[in-house]
Parts: sequence; structure tokens; C-alpha cells
Amino acid sequence: KAGVTQTPRYLIKTRGQQVTLSCSPISGHRSVSWYQQTPGQGLQFLFEYFSETQRNKGNFPGRFSGRQFSNSRSEMNVSTLELGDSALYLCASSVDYSGNTIYFGEGSWLTVV
Amino acid sequence: KNEVEQSPQNLTAQEGEFITINCSYSVGISALHWLQQHPGGGIVSLFMLSSGKKKHGRLIATINIQEKHSSLHITASHPRDSAVYICAVHRDKLIFGTGTRLQVFP
Repeated sequence: KAGVTQTPRYLIKTRGQQVTLSCSPISGHRSVSWYQQTPGQGLQFLFEYFSETQRNKGNFPGRFSGRQFSNSRSEMNVSTLELGDSALYLCASSVDYSGNTIYFGEGSWLTVV
Repeated sequence: KNEVEQSPQNLTAQEGEFITINCSYSVGISALHWLQQHPGGGIVSLFMLSSGKKKHGRLIATINIQEKHSSLHITASHPRDSAVYICAVHRDKLIFGTGTRLQVFP
């Protein structure tokens, strides 16, 4: 059974640009959540999607957005990149949103220069 | 005050030692997760607990819902256990502790 797949794994962007990250969940999983990890703030929740609907959103500015497609694949987008957006972005999938075992992808390392 | 507190922040052990990492939380939760993160970023879910105790190989996790406390134990630690261990509580979303960096030396 394939795990959670995130692409791209590494990317470098310039301030002001925008970036789109992709996540393919485990087959059969309908919940996809996104997290940002930085040395200073640790792991923080960005948003969660279930059956194409955003269920919950963390405390991040509107530059951070996401969506989920009918096949449960998800994308997140960050517009007008800032240096502080440099982080590891992790996607995770679960069968549903009730706190069941969660499976993480390897993450996308974003560097903003 | 953080909603999820872990201790210790850093832990060094000799191979074979018994290790305990603690997690306290201040909010009502539906589940608690113990996660392991190796250098390079990938996170692996070790346990999901809503009550009692679970064991997987040399790892044991316990939770006391009344006291809002959980512990992760590693018996007979090994250098390959070196990683960051993260406690996360599920309250409609995951709220993470700051992690415990464990180094096990041969």
C-alpha cells in the first residue's frame, strides 16, 4: 500500500513568488491535513480537508490556502512568499477526522530567498 | 502556557537504558498521538491512544485521561531509536508538543 506522497520534495523560491505543494493521500483516506514545521515555532496546523471541504483552519494569514480534489488529493498554495515561510511543509492523511491513526508524508522543504 | 508540554526537551542515553518521555496537556482531547521524526523530516506515527496502554515491540505508551498525562517508554534503547519524539493531542485538529530530542549512544 503506497504511503502519503508529497511533491516537490525540495524547492527554492524568491520573495514575492507563489508556490503550490501537492499531496496524494493513502488510498481510501478522505482526510488530508497540512502542517508547517520551523525551528522556531515547531509543528503548527495549517488546515484540514475532508471530502473536498475545509473542516478546520489554523492561525495563518490568508496567503496560505488549500484545496482537496474529488480523488482526495490535496494542494496547498502560499502566495506572496516571505522569508519566514521557509519551512518543512508536511501533509498527513487519515481515514477520517476523528483522531484516528495519521500517516505523514516525507514533507516539502521550502526555502524562500 | 503551551497546551501540550513535553519533558525532557533533550535526552541522552546509553544503549540498553530504559527511557521515559512525558507529555502533559491542558485541554480536552479525543486522542493522543506519539510521533517519531528522524533527521530528514519524515514523521512516523508510533501510537494513537484514547485510554490505557499500548505496546509495540520495545515501545510502550500510556495515557491517564483524568490527569491529562501520557508517557512514552522505550525499553532496552538502541542507537537507532535516536530521533525526535513528539506528543500531539487531537482536539478537532492536532496540537503538538515541542518534541524531545533523544540520542542513544553505543
